[in-house]
Formats: sequence, structure tokens, C-alpha cells
Amino acid sequence: DQQVKQNSPSLSVQEGRISILNCDYTNSMFDYFLWYKKYPAEGPTFLISISSIKDKNEDGRFTVFLNKSAKHLSLHIVPSQPGDSAVYFCAADQNSGGYQKVTFGTGTKLQVIP
Amino acid sequence: ETGVTQSPTHLIKTRGQQVTLRCSSQSGHNTVSWYQQALGQGPQFIFQYYREEENGRGNFPPRFSGLQFPNYSSELNVNALELDDSALYLCASSSGGGNYGYTFGSGTRLTVV
Repeated sequence: DQQVKQNSPSLSVQEGRISILNCDYTNSMFDYFLWYKKYPAEGPTFLISISSIKDKNEDGRFTVFLNKSAKHLSLHIVPSQPGDSAVYFCAADQNSGGYQKVTFGTGTKLQVIP
Repeated sequence: ETGVTQSPTHLIKTRGQQVTLRCSSQSGHNTVSWYQQALGQGPQFIFQYYREEENGRGNFPPRFSGLQFPNYSSELNVNALELDDSALYLCASSSGGGNYGYTFGSGTRLTVV
């Protein structure tokens, strides 16, 4: 049962344009949603999060939008830069019997073309 | 401030053997979680330790076990290795999770032959 889904395995965007990465979830009990970026041979790096009671969170070039009724969130990167090329994981955090359990999607590989 | 460090970086083991992976948490973080990432998949939650006690576990068999030490460093032990255990094992530490996210190490690449 894949509770967090990233249906696009890859995405290519021109430098300077907007990158939009999408994520769907099925569990309405998630408390927070997070985005992580992963370069090859490195662990995931926390990028940005959003509480389930918010609908938008912005941090510099990165904005995450949450649509609870559609159980959908998206990460917008504007403007996209070649250094943004990485695998992006959507994750959802839930308090599960006294601990925070994080469920990850399968990732979207973003390529920003110079 | 140091990040999360994991050792070893790569490991090759034979089916049926046992393995121990190690993790040093980021300074000030009292919670550590272990994840298994198979090729082409997202990280899958194995278990979490808080103040030396396991306080959460994912869908992994008992041959996956762990320890957390007073300095909050941690070990992941896997007994009776199977070929499907070949994966990247990630350690993540936090001071509470939630919207603060987790700090991940670079992982240990385990290959079972």
C-alpha cells in the first residue's frame, strides 16, 4: 500500500524556468509533509516542509502547496538552476503511537538543462 | 556542528551472514531512525530509537534489530542475510521530527551475494 505517491519518475526543465514536482497521498492523518533532495552517493537533504493545516509554505526559490481536499502537494522551484538537478522525494510525517513515522514516495529525478 | 556519519560506506556480505551498520547522530539529536532504500525506491522505515529505546517499527522482520547508545549513536544489525537485503541503508537523526525534518547520513551500500 503506497501511501505517498510520486507518479512522475523524471522531469526535465530549462534553466530559469519553473520546475513543478507533484505528490499524492492517501492517508489523511499525516501531520506534516516534507520534501527532500538527494544527490548521488549522498543521503537525502531536507528542503522544505508544510504543516497539514497550511496550504502554502515558501522558502526562497522553493514553494510547497498543499491541497488537502485533493490529497495532493506540489513543490515549485523558481527559477530552476542546474544545481537543482537531483532526485526529489516527497515524504509525509505522522505521529504513530508515540513516534514520528515518515513515509517516503519513490522520488522524481529532476534534470535542469543549462 | 557535525552531521550524521555512517560506517562503513560499502559492504559485501554472503547470504546467511550477519552485518552491523553504525551511525553517529548529529550533535543535539536524541532520535535516530533507520531506513532501507532499494534501487529505484524511496526510503522505507525500519525502526526508530529515542533515548536508547525502540519506539517505532516498520514492516521489517525481527532479524532486523538495533541499538542506541547513551551518546545517541546507533547500530543496525541484520541477521541471516538474504539477497533482497541488498540496498542502501540510511540513518537519520532529529531532535523531534515533524516539520523540522531529519538529517540523513550518506548511507551504507550493502550488497548480499
